[in-house]
Amino acid sequence: DQQVKQNSPSLSVQEGRISILNCDYTNSMFDYFLWYKKYPAEGPTFLISISSIKDKNEDGRFTVFLNKSAKHLSLHIVPSQPGDSAVYFCAASELRAGSYQLTFGKGTKLSVIP
Amino acid sequence: NAGVTQTPKFQVLKTGQSMTLQCAQDMNHEYMSWYRQDPGMGLRLIHYSVGAGITDQGEVPNGYNVSRSTTEDFPLRLLSAAPSQTSVYFCASTPRGESSYNEQFFGPGTRLTVL
Repeated sequence: DQQVKQNSPSLSVQEGRISILNCDYTNSMFDYFLWYKKYPAEGPTFLISISSIKDKNEDGRFTVFLNKSAKHLSLHIVPSQPGDSAVYFCAASELRAGSYQLTFGKGTKLSVIP
Repeated sequence: NAGVTQTPKFQVLKTGQSMTLQCAQDMNHEYMSWYRQDPGMGLRLIHYSVGAGITDQGEVPNGYNVSRSTTEDFPLRLLSAAPSQTSVYFCASTPRGESSYNEQFFGPGTRLTVL
C-alpha cells in the first residue's frame, strides 16, 4: 500500500509560468516532508522541506504548502525555468525503530518548455 | 569534500553471481542508507545504518546484505544476483541532528543489470 502518492507522472509547463506538483500521503505519523529533484544519471538532491507543524515554507522560487487535514502537500515553482526540468520526488519522514526513515513517492517528471 | 561516492557506475551480472556495491562518504555522517529505484517507482529503502556497527533492514531487504565497519563506508552485497535485482541503486548519508536529520545526501547511483 503506497503511503506517499504522486498521482501525476508528468507535467508540462511553459517557461515563466507556475509549476504545481502535488503529493498525498496516508500515514498520519509522518512528521516531516521533503522534496527532492533528480536529473537523469544523477542522484536525487534535496530541494525544500517542511515540518508537520507548519503549513508553508518558502525558499526563493520554491514554496511548499502542507495541508495536514487533507494529508496533502504541494510544491510551487515560480517562475518555472527550463533548468527546472527534472523528476521531482515527494518524501515523508517517520520515526521508526529508533531512526527516521523516508518514504518516497513515485515521482513527477516536470518539463519546462522554453 | 567528495560527498557520497559510489562505485561502480555500471555493472552487468549473470544470474547467480555475487558482487559488492561500494559507497563511501567523507562528511562524517552517522546515518547511511541504500535505496533502489525501478522504472515508475519511487526510491525504496533496502538497508540502513545509524552508525558504525549498526545496521537494519528497510522495506526491500531480501537478497541483500550490508555491514558498517567504519563511519565512512557502507557496502551493499548481492549474494546471488537475480534478474529482479536489475535496478539503479543509490546510497545516501545524513548527519545526525534535530535540524538536519532528514536531509539525505545521495550518491550518483550504480546501474545494475542482471541477465
